[in-house]
Amino acid sequence: DIQMTQSPSSLSASVGDRVTITCRASQSISSYLNWYQQKPGKAPKLLIYAASSLQSGVPSGFSGSGSGTDFTLTITSLQPEDFATYYCQQSYSTPRTFGQGTKVEIK
Amino acid sequence: DVQLLESGGDLVQPGGSLRLSCAASGFTFSNYAMSWVRQAPGKGLEWVSTISGSGDSTHYADSVKGRFTVSRDNSKNTLYLQMNSLRVEDRAVYYCAKDRGLVVAVSNWFDPWGQGTLVTVSS
Repeated sequence: DIQMTQSPSSLSASVGDRVTITCRASQSISSYLNWYQQKPGKAPKLLIYAASSLQSGVPSGFSGSGSGTDFTLTITSLQPEDFATYYCQQSYSTPRTFGQGTKVEIK
Repeated sequence: DVQLLESGGDLVQPGGSLRLSCAASGFTFSNYAMSWVRQAPGKGLEWVSTISGSGDSTHYADSVKGRFTVSRDNSKNTLYLQMNSLRVEDRAVYYCAKDRGLVVAVSNWFDPWGQGTLVTVSS
C-alpha cells in the first residue's frame, strides 16, 4: 500500500497568512494526487485534482504543486472560511489512501 | 446539481449486519464508478470500496474485504454497501462519493460526497 504523510498535522495561522501544507507519498505516484477540505460536521470537498488542477468553483487562492513523491497545497491568503482540515489522497493505485490530515486553526 | 444522499446508518451489535444506501441524482448514474469512504469519530478518512459504473468490477480495502459487499442498482440510481460481521472498529460516518470516471483509474478523484450516515457498533 502507498502511505501518504502530511505535514504539519496542525498549524495555527492568521487571516491573510500564506499557508503551505506538504504531502509525501511512500513511492512515486506521478501527479495522481488530490486535495480535499473538510469543515467540522461536513463532508469533504474536492479542492485540487491531479496535483495542480483547481476544481471548478474553488477560489483561486488555493493552488497545488508537485509530482513523484512530494506535493504541496498552498493557500495564498488565508480567509476565515479556510479554517478546516485538509487531506491529500493518492489515486495511483488501490487502496486509495489518504494522508492523516492537516488541521488549520485560527491563531 | 449532483446530489448524493446516504441512509441506513444505525446502532448495531458486534457481529451484526447493516445495509447502507446512497441515492444519486443529477447525473447519469451508470456512467460513473462510485465509492464508499469512512471516517471514524475524530479520525481521518479511509477509503472502503469502489464499484465500476456497470457494477462488474469492485475493489475493497483489506480491512473490510470478505465482510463488506458493494453493489449498485443503476435502474434505481442507488449505491449499496452490505456490511456483515461488523466490528467495533467499523464505527464511523460512511460517505458515498462519485468517482470521476466509469472505472477505477489513476486519474480518478472523489467528487462530490454525500453528507454521510453514522454507523455505530456497540454492545
